Amino acid sequence: AQTVTQSQPEMSVQEAETVTLSCTYDTSESDYYLFWYKQPPSRQMILVIRQEAYKQQNATENRFSVNFQKAAKSFSLKISDSQLGDAAMYFCAYRSPGNQFYFGTGTSLTVIP
Amino acid sequence: DTEVTQTPKHLVMGMTNKKSLKCEQHMGHRAMYWYKQKAKKPPELMFVYSYEKLSINESVPSRFSPECPNSSLLNLHLHALQPEDSALYLCASSQDTSRLAKNIQYFGAGTRLSVL
Repeated sequence: AQTVTQSQPEMSVQEAETVTLSCTYDTSESDYYLFWYKQPPSRQMILVIRQEAYKQQNATENRFSVNFQKAAKSFSLKISDSQLGDAAMYFCAYRSPGNQFYFGTGTSLTVIP
Repeated sequence: DTEVTQTPKHLVMGMTNKKSLKCEQHMGHRAMYWYKQKAKKPPELMFVYSYEKLSINESVPSRFSPECPNSSLLNLHLHALQPEDSALYLCASSQDTSRLAKNIQYFGAGTRLSVL
């Protein structure tokens, strides 16, 4: 079974600084997708960034980037120039070839003004 | 439009009540999902519908009954629930259940259910 581990239940960052959220996963598949979703207090899960396992280049979306280490099965999220609106619960997710999502336990990010 | 709409936003029901949760999307997606999320926990998959047919049931108790009347609409019928069923129920949709790169799941804002 696939497992996704987020070892940081809570993180905080000063506004305008950079923070990295960790995620590791376990799979025997070679073709899969990884995602970071954000869930603010409004509850809606919002896609932040995604990475295709067969692509070596790390995905980037504006202030959000990932460090994907396939051999180590690691998929960390870096948020640059943190903003107050970045405060949320962040879930790392693994999507299996059968399109089932497995979520990590989440990291609660606080942004300090 | 990447919107998945869930109604109601909040629901309080007794253990003998029958209620339904509704989820709607107009993105032409052919896969729809129900998740249950407890506080400070990740979403847990309950059901997957693919082309209006139930394709995955993650051993969910029969007091939860999903229904997919058409490709845009997904219901979750609730009957004889227990207090431990209180949670946030999230609906999601994706283009289909294939391995396409663009097959992202889009989530609704959820229904906060309280069972008394």
